[in-house]
Amino acid sequence: NAGVMQNPRHLVRRRGQEARLRCSPMKGHSHVYWYRQLPEEGLKFMVYLQKENIIDESGMPKERFSAEFPKEGPSILRIQQVVRGDSAAYFCASSSTAGFDTEAFFGQGTRLTVV
Amino acid sequence: AQTVTQSQPEMSVQEAETVTLSCTYDTSESDYYLFWYKQPPSRQMILVIRQEAYKQQNATENRFSVNFQKAAKSFSLKISDSQLGDAAMYFCAYRSAGYGGSQGNLIFGKGTKLSVKP
Repeated sequence: NAGVMQNPRHLVRRRGQEARLRCSPMKGHSHVYWYRQLPEEGLKFMVYLQKENIIDESGMPKERFSAEFPKEGPSILRIQQVVRGDSAAYFCASSSTAGFDTEAFFGQGTRLTVV
Repeated sequence: AQTVTQSQPEMSVQEAETVTLSCTYDTSESDYYLFWYKQPPSRQMILVIRQEAYKQQNATENRFSVNFQKAAKSFSLKISDSQLGDAAMYFCAYRSAGYGGSQGNLIFGKGTKLSVKP
């Protein structure tokens, strides 16, 4: 059973371009969480999705950021018109349920660099 | 809102010795989970150990154990017989007990960088 797969591992974008980060959850997992890790910081929650639904986006910046988790295919975190402050590592985690006794498994992250 | 504080940005330990990493948290909830994650240079987040708040017994996983003091809102990680492979960033995290919504999200501290000296 493959783990959580994120790609690309590294992504370089120029200011103003769009960044698309993909996350394939573990097989059988229908809950996906996105986190952002700024340098020298812990991970900060961004958004929680189930298949075709956004459950909680309270940690997502109001502009330029969006996320989806379609019925088929990976979850996508999209950042439009990137700025230098978007440079960070973006992690995806997945779980089989949202229950309190469910462990979330993390991918290896995508390091976004905006130049 | 819940917060997690790790007051030690960096720690160092001699190989085979024991080290304790500190974590405190703030919450008004009575049911929750606490975690320690390890992040090596590969950036993979690896779950080291977890503790259910309703359990009085401290969790243990091989060389890793916790000292959970619910009243003091303290959750320290003890690593015994430290190995070179233990060198990494360690993050303490909090999660509300419940279903769905924001209750499933992890709240992380800023991390402690652990170095292991041979």
